[in-house]
Amino acid sequence: ETGVTQSPTHLIKTRGQQVTLRCSSQSGHNTVSWYQQALGQGPQFIFQYYREEENGRGNFPPRFSGLQFPNYSSELNVNALELDDSALYLCASSRMGGNTEAFFGQGTRLTVV
Amino acid sequence: GQQLNQSPQSMFIQEGEDVSMNCTSSSIFNTWLWYKQEPGEGPVLLIALYKAGELTSNGRLTAQFGITRKDSFLNISASIPSDVGIYFCAGQEMQGAQKLVFGQGTRLTINP
Repeated sequence: ETGVTQSPTHLIKTRGQQVTLRCSSQSGHNTVSWYQQALGQGPQFIFQYYREEENGRGNFPPRFSGLQFPNYSSELNVNALELDDSALYLCASSRMGGNTEAFFGQGTRLTVV
Repeated sequence: GQQLNQSPQSMFIQEGEDVSMNCTSSSIFNTWLWYKQEPGEGPVLLIALYKAGELTSNGRLTAQFGITRKDSFLNISASIPSDVGIYFCAGQEMQGAQKLVFGQGTRLTINP
């Protein structure tokens, strides 16, 4: 077990709605990255949070946004949900700098109908 | 989005056989990571490689960081039923967000 926890584990939303996913990072880690994994694909980088600020972003539209809190936990918010947003959303926890490995949570399975 | 070229996409083997899979990239990475993912779970880190040419083992698993820094392979020896799952390689960028770029995965199925 990695110590990275995500909630909820499963979620069903309607197209156009908004969703918030949550992640608690592993003890000693100060960086949280979010990934989207479509069925049958490898995870794709959404963005990373370090020192409570966005520290890099992948090819995702602005309706994907996030937050990091002083305790290093993080939220991923998605507005105006589309059917293609259905995926497994993964949170990865790490320490910034040097040889640092990323440890993943179990993911949140989001289904948009 | 950007992805690494991982092969094979799937493998069907007999228990006890050895397994080999690899990843190639057009970009240079300073770190290569290998993960295993089982249904309904997040990826679990198996091996991390930090230096070109590095060969690292974790039990029956052995992985190498290619000399060109554009490729890596993972070998599993004497496969057992619990090795079933999807294996992903990931290259880690050292600039900016140090994001992981993943391969498409290798699905391993084992016949007992």
